[in-house]
Amino acid sequence: KAGVTQTPRYLIKTRGQQVTLSCSPISGHRSVSWYQQTPGQGLQFLFEYFSETQRNKGNFPGRFSGRQFSNSRSEMNVSTLELGDSALYLCASSFWGNTEAFFGQGTRLTVV
Amino acid sequence: SQQGEEDPQALSIQEGENATMNCSYKTSINNLQWYRQNSGRGLVHLILIRSNEREKHSGRLRVTLDTSKKSSSLLITASRAADTASYFCATDASDYKLSFGAGTTVTVRA
Repeated sequence: KAGVTQTPRYLIKTRGQQVTLSCSPISGHRSVSWYQQTPGQGLQFLFEYFSETQRNKGNFPGRFSGRQFSNSRSEMNVSTLELGDSALYLCASSFWGNTEAFFGQGTRLTVV
Repeated sequence: SQQGEEDPQALSIQEGENATMNCSYKTSINNLQWYRQNSGRGLVHLILIRSNEREKHSGRLRVTLDTSKKSSSLLITASRAADTASYFCATDASDYKLSFGAGTTVTVRA
């Protein structure tokens, strides 16, 4: 079956702009999580959605938001981009949210 | 802050040797998972061990869990060049998120 698909793979944005990243989970998976990975902070949890409901949110400013659609696809949005938002953003899907997670290849965001 | 901390940060071994890395965590968990990441790509799930299990095997991988010490270890036997990657432990504490450690970078020399 198809894996987790993240689009786009690479993105370059300017400070102050906003960006939307997309994640299509594995068919049948209802939980989608987002993580930010940077060399300095490692893998940091952003948020988790299950059946269109956010069940948990990490310690990120309100500029980071997300949503999940009825088909389990998810998007995350970052507004007013800062240089420090440059990172690899990873999406993971799973059946319930507390079992093994399947990760996409990530979106590499560069803010200039 | 991260729940898990891996040790060592980096490991260099010869092909055919075993690689062992450790993970310590802070709070009670439901399960602990190990993932592999190749050079800035997505993470690949390796193995999940539940809090009531002490040891688990999967191919050349062996994971142990000591909940009294809040620690886990991952052993890769007979390493191959393809095992060169970063390895992360991740804990699940019933809050629908995985908390990752900083990772161990493993280099397997031919």
